[in-house]
Amino acid sequence: EDQVTQSPEALRLQEGESSSLNCSYTVSGLRGLFWYRQDPGKGPEFLFTLYSAGEEKEKERLKATLTKKESFLHITAPKPEDSATYLCAVQAPGSARQLTFGSGTQLTVLP
Amino acid sequence: EAQVTQNPRYLITVTGKKLTVTCSQNMNHEYMSWYRQDPGLGLRQIYYSMNVEVTDKGDVPEGYKVSRKEKRNFPLILESPSPNQTSLYFCASSFWGQPQHFGDGTRLSIL
Repeated sequence: EDQVTQSPEALRLQEGESSSLNCSYTVSGLRGLFWYRQDPGKGPEFLFTLYSAGEEKEKERLKATLTKKESFLHITAPKPEDSATYLCAVQAPGSARQLTFGSGTQLTVLP
Repeated sequence: EAQVTQNPRYLITVTGKKLTVTCSQNMNHEYMSWYRQDPGLGLRQIYYSMNVEVTDKGDVPEGYKVSRKEKRNFPLILESPSPNQTSLYFCASSFWGQPQHFGDGTRLSIL
């Protein structure tokens, strides 16, 4: 059974204080690992897809990396508008169910 | 504008009173899915559909029904709702293997 574990559950940062969120996964083969951002009262919003170990993707202050067992979402010099819950999900090959989600990391960036 | 639209956004109802949550997408996606989101448990898939008239169970299908008579619509039906179905529900759609687009959610309270 595919499993995704995210840590920490919650993270409070000062504006400008860089940090990383972790997503550990267990899956029989990996077709793709997805990062989403979720704001209160909204649905998840797609950020990145990573397909193979060593791959990196960047968007503004966010950079996602992937190894064979985990992914990191690095946040460089965060701003208060980066406050959100960040979700990680994995997709296994041939899986019609598509995605298995972790329970998320709630990030708060204080001004 | 490309979007996934859910209705209603909020609903308070009573045990046993049948209800339907509608989901419509305007992106011609063949894949659609329903999730529920509960604190500490993350997003869990209820049902999914790979195309018109093709549906299958996700991880937590008990107490729910779906139908896919048209490509754009994927309603979620609770024929006899119970309090343990109180949750935040999301509909999502995508082309196969691509990142899913989510609606803004339906908060359902069953008394």
